[in-house]
Amino acid sequence: DAMVIQNPRYQVTQFGKPVTLSCSQTLNHNVMYWYQQKSSQAPKLLFHYYDKDFNNEADTPDNFQSRRPNTSFCFLDIRSPGLGDAAMYLCATSPQTSGRKTDTQYFGPGTRLTVL
Amino acid sequence: LAKTTQPISMDSYEGQEVNITCSHNNIATNDYITWYQQFPSQGPRFIIQGYKTKVTNEVASLFIPADRKSSTLSLPRVSLSDTAVYYCLVGVYNFNKFYFGSGTKLNVKP
Repeated sequence: DAMVIQNPRYQVTQFGKPVTLSCSQTLNHNVMYWYQQKSSQAPKLLFHYYDKDFNNEADTPDNFQSRRPNTSFCFLDIRSPGLGDAAMYLCATSPQTSGRKTDTQYFGPGTRLTVL
Repeated sequence: LAKTTQPISMDSYEGQEVNITCSHNNIATNDYITWYQQFPSQGPRFIIQGYKTKVTNEVASLFIPADRKSSTLSLPRVSLSDTAVYYCLVGVYNFNKFYFGSGTKLNVKP
């Protein structure tokens, strides 16, 4: 089945130690998103790629970076995790062929990040 | 800037119809309204999407008034497995952005 895969599902890191979360998709969608979701809150968009074009949200901290080496893979790098970065990180994809901002998004299961 | 607002929580009993409303005063003219369902420790899952009037699929209906400043997700005959958080997502006019609503936690009781 076509899907969005996130690895690992659970990640523990130490305060200040860089960590990378990965996302892959078999849907061949041209848009990929990274969200941060804290407990009892809605997902918060960090950035997205439209093909290779990177779009950063204005309030995304510089501590968060992303790479998309090809259509299928996307990575979230947290350069110096703080305690406040502990959250669920969700990857999503969208075909977004119409130019609308709200084409259907397909989410992965998420990676829960713990910062010690 | 008013984005989207939803009730924080709702309670229902099995077999009842549940209606969850999302207010989105600044919705973008050309954008759709999409609803997602999220279970604990999982990513959101698409439920239904619409632009205006009424849309129905095998799991839900979506009612959108003519001014499109709100939308109502209708879940017919809910079961315990419908206990989840429901989010609306809309594009915001003139900001070229989209926002998730704050989410409505639906608790279905036996």
